[in-house]
Amino acid sequence: DIVMTQTPLSSPVTLGQPASISCRSSQSLVHSNGNTYLSWLQQRPGQPPRLLIYKISHRFSGVPDRFSGSGAGTDFTLKISRVEAEDVGVYYCMQATQFPFTFGPGTKVDIK
Amino acid sequence: QVQLQQSGPGQVQPSQTLSLTCAISGDSVSSNSAAWNWIRQSPSRGLEWLGRTFYRSKWDNDYAVSVKSRITIIPDTSKNQFSLHLNSVTPEDTAVYFCARGGVGGSATEFDYWGQGTLVTVSA
Repeated sequence: DIVMTQTPLSSPVTLGQPASISCRSSQSLVHSNGNTYLSWLQQRPGQPPRLLIYKISHRFSGVPDRFSGSGAGTDFTLKISRVEAEDVGVYYCMQATQFPFTFGPGTKVDIK
Repeated sequence: QVQLQQSGPGQVQPSQTLSLTCAISGDSVSSNSAAWNWIRQSPSRGLEWLGRTFYRSKWDNDYAVSVKSRITIIPDTSKNQFSLHLNSVTPEDTAVYFCARGGVGGSATEFDYWGQGTLVTVSA
């Protein structure tokens, strides 16, 4: 199985300041078709996960443009340009290049 | 707008079968571009993908190896829903179970819509 790791596991941030989360996969996530199936999801307390970013950098419908994704191969980053109170939650990276699909352990973002 | 509504018991006895249903609105379980997934979440295992069903001129499934001998995901076209059946459960199967659509991006691998989650506890 592809193992997904995230750093940091906890990120206290100041409102209005940027935040960044790194995700690393144990194998390249480049599919044989040339696509890279790396997604980012946000989970607020008591809610199901919510898709933010897919295929490394594509923002899902309705996701604010303060969220952006980048990376390639085995190293990926989610950035929040200016953290707002509603961004509090746990952020997961997920790979769907190879079965079984696997998730990172999550990064908890909260306000300082 | 796609919505997924989960139903099923919150408690299952050890060695029995866990069964949950996910009713779909705003899309079709027979869609040629979507896949219908089950994922679970527990403190010990985090988020764990269990499997999916999808239709591409015929029905097909993919399952995680960790549960492959115990899992079945079945579509129901008459009710536009799909179900999870996990047999021979143990307390380790205690988790919040989610259904999710794999839809956006054309590959059916991005989980764009999720059910509300069902906490299933395996205990006598």
